[in-house]
Amino acid sequence: GEDVEQSLFLSVREGDSSVINCTYTDSSSTYLYWYKQEPGAGLQLLTYIFSNMDMKQDQRLTVLLNKKDKHLSLRIADTQTGDSAIYFCAVDTSGGYQKVTFGTGTKLQVIP
Amino acid sequence: DAGVTQSPTHLIKTRGQHVTLRCSPISGHKSVSWYQQVLGQGPQFIFQYYEKEERGRGNFPDRFSARQFPNYSSELNVNALLLGDSALYLCASSLRQVTEKLFFGSGTQLSVL
Repeated sequence: GEDVEQSLFLSVREGDSSVINCTYTDSSSTYLYWYKQEPGAGLQLLTYIFSNMDMKQDQRLTVLLNKKDKHLSLRIADTQTGDSAIYFCAVDTSGGYQKVTFGTGTKLQVIP
Repeated sequence: DAGVTQSPTHLIKTRGQHVTLRCSPISGHKSVSWYQQVLGQGPQFIFQYYEKEERGRGNFPDRFSARQFPNYSSELNVNALLLGDSALYLCASSLRQVTEKLFFGSGTQLSVL
């Protein structure tokens, strides 16, 4: 089945850029997502990218997709303390229904 | 507009009991999916319902069942609870069966003692 891998932890200083990386195995994925989860909360859809795109920018967020290497990254510019959370990379599967496979999440710690 | 709403927010049950979790999708959304998130892991797909029919099922035992009502709200039922069923249960809704925008609720935290 589909496998999505992320590093577990990232620590950055406030104002720096954060880059969270993800690799996946299913090359037929159509949508690739980044979700944010704060303690005790559900998942917030941050951004997504279609598999036929290489890059998507949305304010402070930049998503890069390398389909050849099956690598997805999320860059957060000017990281703030409010960005501290767990970030999940997720990909959908092909087929007649929508199943989204999540990575284990990267905990981002922003140091003031 | 209200987002995806789930109830209850927290629940404590004992082994062997049955539980029902509820989800109301965003207005106009016809697809509801259920995910299980065990502490320290990413969510895992349980079911997708679209237009009141089960469209997909993840690798979960038959103790897990769900249904979708005419107003597109949904219930997740788990029978014969095990300690390992303790998790955050997340509901997600979307407009269509397959879509780029999948919105999650805040979840129901289930503790099985």
